[in-house]
Amino acid sequence: QKEVEQNSGPLSVPEGAIASLNCTYSDRGSQSFFWYRQYSGKSPELIMFIYSNGDKEDGRFTAQLNKASQYVSLLIRDSQPSDSATYLCAVNYDMRFGAGTRLTVKP
Amino acid sequence: DGGITQSPKYLFRKEGQNVTLSCEQNLNHDAMYWYRQDPGQGLRLIYYSQIVNDFQKGDIAEGYSVSREKKESFPLTVTSAQKNPTAFYLCASSMGNSGYGYTFGSGTRLTVV
Repeated sequence: QKEVEQNSGPLSVPEGAIASLNCTYSDRGSQSFFWYRQYSGKSPELIMFIYSNGDKEDGRFTAQLNKASQYVSLLIRDSQPSDSATYLCAVNYDMRFGAGTRLTVKP
Repeated sequence: DGGITQSPKYLFRKEGQNVTLSCEQNLNHDAMYWYRQDPGQGLRLIYYSQIVNDFQKGDIAEGYSVSREKKESFPLTVTSAQKNPTAFYLCASSMGNSGYGYTFGSGTRLTVV
C-alpha cells in the first residue's frame, strides 16, 4: 500500500508567523506533488505543485521537495487568519491524499 | 466559465435505496475521479476514469458504480450495498493523467435517513 502521511494537527500559529506543514510519502517513484487548501465544508482547491527537488515560491507560499528523504513541505509566511483551513498533500501518480493538517491562525 | 458542477448539493437516502450523484465538467479534461471524505478524514478514491467508456476501481469501490459514456460526465451511483454511505462526495477532473493536479467540484453531502 502506497502511503501519504501528514501530521493531523491541529497546528496553531499566531498571525504573522510562519506555518510549516509536512508530508511524507512511501513511493520513491513519485514525480508530482501537490498542496490543496480546504476550508470547512468546502471542496479542496489547488494552491501549489512541485515536481523538482528544492524550493518553489508563490507569493506567501513556498513548497519544498526532498525526494531522497521522501518528504514535501509547505511554508506559509506572514500567516493570516484567512489561511485557517485544512491543508491536504497529494501525490498524484498514486491519486492518494494525506489525511490533511488543520491549521488555525490566531489574530 | 469552465468548471465542474456537482448536483445535488445535499442528498438524503433511505435505507435500501440507490442514489445517483451527478458530475459534469466543461474543462475538456480527459480524466475524472470520485472521492469520499468522512468528517475529519482525508480523501479516499472510489473510482476513476482516464478515457471515455473506461474506468477503474479505487481503494473503496465496493457498494458504488460509475459510468463514463461522455467525456463531460461521470455519474456515481451509491447502491444499497454500501452500508455506510453518509459522507461528503467530491468529483474531480484533470488534464491527462493525475500528474497535472485536480479541479474539484463543490461536492455532494449524502446523508442516510
